[in-house]
Amino acid sequence: DAMVIQNPRYQVTQFGKPVTLSCSQTLNHNVMYWYQQKSSQAPKLLFHYYDKDFNNEADTPDNFQSRRPNTSFCFLDIRSPGLGDAAMYLCATSRGGDLREQYFGPGTRLTVT
Amino acid sequence: AQSVTQLDSHVSVSEGTPVLLRCNYSSSYSPSLFWYVQHPNKGLQLLLKYTSAATLVKGINGFEAEFKKSETSFHLTKPSAHMSDAAEYFCVVSGGVGRGYQKVTFGTGTKLQVIP
Repeated sequence: DAMVIQNPRYQVTQFGKPVTLSCSQTLNHNVMYWYQQKSSQAPKLLFHYYDKDFNNEADTPDNFQSRRPNTSFCFLDIRSPGLGDAAMYLCATSRGGDLREQYFGPGTRLTVT
Repeated sequence: AQSVTQLDSHVSVSEGTPVLLRCNYSSSYSPSLFWYVQHPNKGLQLLLKYTSAATLVKGINGFEAEFKKSETSFHLTKPSAHMSDAAEYFCVVSGGVGRGYQKVTFGTGTKLQVIP
C-alpha cells in the first residue's frame, strides 16, 4: 500500500543534542509537510517542500531545519532541542495543485530530557 | 486570508445517538474543506473532503458533512455514534493561488467522547 512512513515512532533526545526525524513516502507526491503537534492542540505547520522548493512558515524557529534529498524522503533536523520542543511531529504529503488532501504519517513522538 | 472555527472543543454523546461536530470557515478563495480524525498517539486520517462538487459529502465510517456556502459552515454528522468514534476531529480549510501550493489551516479540534 502506498503510504507515508515516519521513523522512529518514538525518539528520546537530551536537551541541546541534535536530533533528526525522518519521513518517507511511496505516493510520489510533490509536496511534503512537517507539522508540530503539542498535547491537545491542532497541528502547527513548520515548513513544507513543493518539489525542491523549501517554504518556511514565518514563525518557525531557526532551530528547526529540513532537508529533502529526493522526492521520497524528507528530514526534520532540530539543532538544539529544548524542553519546549517535546511534541508529536507529523509528516504529510499532498499531490500539489487542485486543492488536494494531505496524507499523514503516524507521527514521531519526541521526548527531550 | 482564511480561518477555521470549530465551535466545540469537547462533545459528549451516548453510543447509538447522533453526532454533530460544528465547523465554520472563512476564505478569500473557493476553498476545499476536509475533516480529519486522530486517535490517541496516531496520525491524522482523512474522513471526507469537499472540493466544489456535491455539497453533501459522504465519508468513511458513516460520517458525512454538508457544505453550506451561505452559512460558511461544514458540519460533520453521523446518525449513530459508535465507541470507536471516540477521537479528536479536525476541520481543515485549504485554498490558494499560484504554483499550486494551497495554504492549509486547521481548526483547533473537537474531542468526541462516546459514552456506553
